[in-house]
Amino acid sequence: AQSVTQLDSQVPVFEEAPVELRCNYSSSVSVYLFWYVQYPNQGLQLLLKYLSGSTLVKGINGFEAEFNKSQTSFHLRKPSVHISDTAEYFCAVSVNDYKLSFGAGTTVTVRA
Amino acid sequence: DADVTQTPRNRITKTGKRIMLECSQTKGHDRMYWYRQDPGLGLRLIYYSFDVKDINKGEISDGYSVSRQAQAKFSLSLESAIPNQTALYFCATSDRRRSNEQFFGPGTRLTVL
Repeated sequence: AQSVTQLDSQVPVFEEAPVELRCNYSSSVSVYLFWYVQYPNQGLQLLLKYLSGSTLVKGINGFEAEFNKSQTSFHLRKPSVHISDTAEYFCAVSVNDYKLSFGAGTTVTVRA
Repeated sequence: DADVTQTPRNRITKTGKRIMLECSQTKGHDRMYWYRQDPGLGLRLIYYSFDVKDINKGEISDGYSVSRQAQAKFSLSLESAIPNQTALYFCATSDRRRSNEQFFGPGTRLTVL
């Protein structure tokens, strides 16, 4: 079975600073990888996904992530955050076409 | 705009009561899912359905049941609610032709006293 570890539960960051959210996974087979964002009082929205091909994936709102197979990681980055990026971020992994396994989430708080 | 809706958005109930959470979608997707979210645990899959006649247990199905009344409707029931079922519940949908991308509803916050 696959599993996902998000290494930071809380990440405080100042506005316009860069942010990196770390995600590691374990799986004995090839995986698909996702980052979702949950804004306060809302459902989850897909930020980006890695299915195959280029290991650098660009998503919405200026986010990007890099798939590193040797380190089994899929870290999410943004070079300059805004107040509106305050949210909870979830990394998820799948080994088939339907079942997602989620990490525990990372809460990002952007301060002015 | 095609969407995933959940009713109710908030519910407080008492131990032992039966409660149903409903999910509807206008995306035309064939697959539907129920998750629960607990702080520090992320989302965990309760049940999923690939079509009206296909229902499958997820990783934490005990104490829950589901009904797929139509392609667009998927309900989650707690036959006898208990306090540790207090959580945020999400419905999601996906199209089998688009790998894994799931679309989530706004969630139902359930409190069992």
